[in-house]
Amino acid sequence: QLVLTQSPSASASLGASVNITCTLSSRHSAYAIAWHQQQPEKGPRYLMKVKSDGSHNKADGIPDRFSGSSSGAERYLTISSLQSEDEGDYYCQSWGTATENVFGTGTTVTVL
Amino acid sequence: HLQLQESGPGLVKPSETLSLTCTVSGDSIGSSSHYWGWIRQTPGKGLEWIGKIHQSGSTNCNPSLKRRVTVSVDTSKNQFSLKLTSVTAADTSVYYCGRYNYGDFIDFWGQGTLVTVSS
Repeated sequence: QLVLTQSPSASASLGASVNITCTLSSRHSAYAIAWHQQQPEKGPRYLMKVKSDGSHNKADGIPDRFSGSSSGAERYLTISSLQSEDEGDYYCQSWGTATENVFGTGTTVTVL
Repeated sequence: HLQLQESGPGLVKPSETLSLTCTVSGDSIGSSSHYWGWIRQTPGKGLEWIGKIHQSGSTNCNPSLKRRVTVSVDTSKNQFSLKLTSVTAADTSVYYCGRYNYGDFIDFWGQGTLVTVSS
């Protein structure tokens, strides 16, 4: 069963960097994922797709300070030069067979 | 640019059928290689994939909901729809429609609509 694990929270100071991790279940360690941002009181927004080799494709309009990377079964979202508008929940999503499409439990990012 | 807009009743009675429609603008469902689908979000369960459909009519649904879910498409209206039968309070959620990039991940989301199941 495809499972995505995320830490519940992450925080960093304004202008600093924060890393968010999504861990794939061991049998699915080569899968790609997508990252989504959900600002308070808003719907989710797609940020980027991250492959197992660390390559990533960002959606149009996503600032350069958002980047993705990979190591083994872990997929990362790094936000550099953290801004107040970056506060919110971040979800990873992955997919396998036609009936497999799952989300992580989300990471709440707080800007200190 | 692409926009998706959910519509439908915000209140549904227990045991009845929840029906939602997503209207797409900025892309043509009928000529798209992508899938179009539904996701819901509840405070206790996070984001949950419900089902998705291709303009060809090919559908895939979450096995945990499959017995109660129907996803359909109307290419003439550039819309797709969700029906969820025999609803209970546990189906109270914000429901989002979205475009699935070649059937894999969501690359565009609707704004979401809250559906409450209550008598």
